[in-house]
Amino acid sequence: DTEVTQTPKHLVMGMTNKKSLKCEQHMGHRAMYWYKQKAKKPPELMFVYSYEKLSINESVPSRFSPECPNSSLLNLHLHALQPEDSALYLCASSQRLAGGPGFFGPGTRLTVL
Amino acid sequence: DQQVKQNSPSLSVQEGRISILNCDYTNSMFDYFLWYKKYPAEGPTFLISISSIKDKNEDGRFTVFLNKSAKHLSLHIVPSQPGDSAVYFCAASATQGGSEKLVFGKGTKLTVNP
Repeated sequence: DTEVTQTPKHLVMGMTNKKSLKCEQHMGHRAMYWYKQKAKKPPELMFVYSYEKLSINESVPSRFSPECPNSSLLNLHLHALQPEDSALYLCASSQRLAGGPGFFGPGTRLTVL
Repeated sequence: DQQVKQNSPSLSVQEGRISILNCDYTNSMFDYFLWYKKYPAEGPTFLISISSIKDKNEDGRFTVFLNKSAKHLSLHIVPSQPGDSAVYFCAASATQGGSEKLVFGKGTKLTVNP
């Protein structure tokens, strides 16, 4: 199993909703990442987890709340989002922290109304 | 301030010819460089990487060249195939500096014509 899976593929939510994005990998990777990508822009790092501990938070607004319940799962909890938060949210993993992510998931396309 | 620059937003080549994608960086602390390929509606896929202790890394049809003095790297694809048509992102990180941040360029859209 050499892939990163993300659910859901698409998500439409209102500004008052609470939703969660899920990411899973079974490659034994100990570093997991959340990236945000707007159209025709490069991915922007949001959070990095290393050994289930938050390693990097790129000054992301608190309406985005990451969670790493175990070494295979990474969640991103969403609450009170703004329309400008609409984007592709990518999860990624790597065997170790140094060097950056080796495997990306397909992403969740989020639309905030 | 863009630390990783891909100055060509698009590139078009004929099938069978060489594709050369360029990337420049400004941060001298970067010591590890990666290329990712992205198809529409999919996440980026890791292609090839190079450490700053090397000047060349080859994997099949893909070769990455690093010129540290010029702060420039390039990805060569030989021979190019229509299936290589995608957006290619250059990325860099400063691992020795203790930073695990990966900085991406804006990408170059490669089109390989049959």
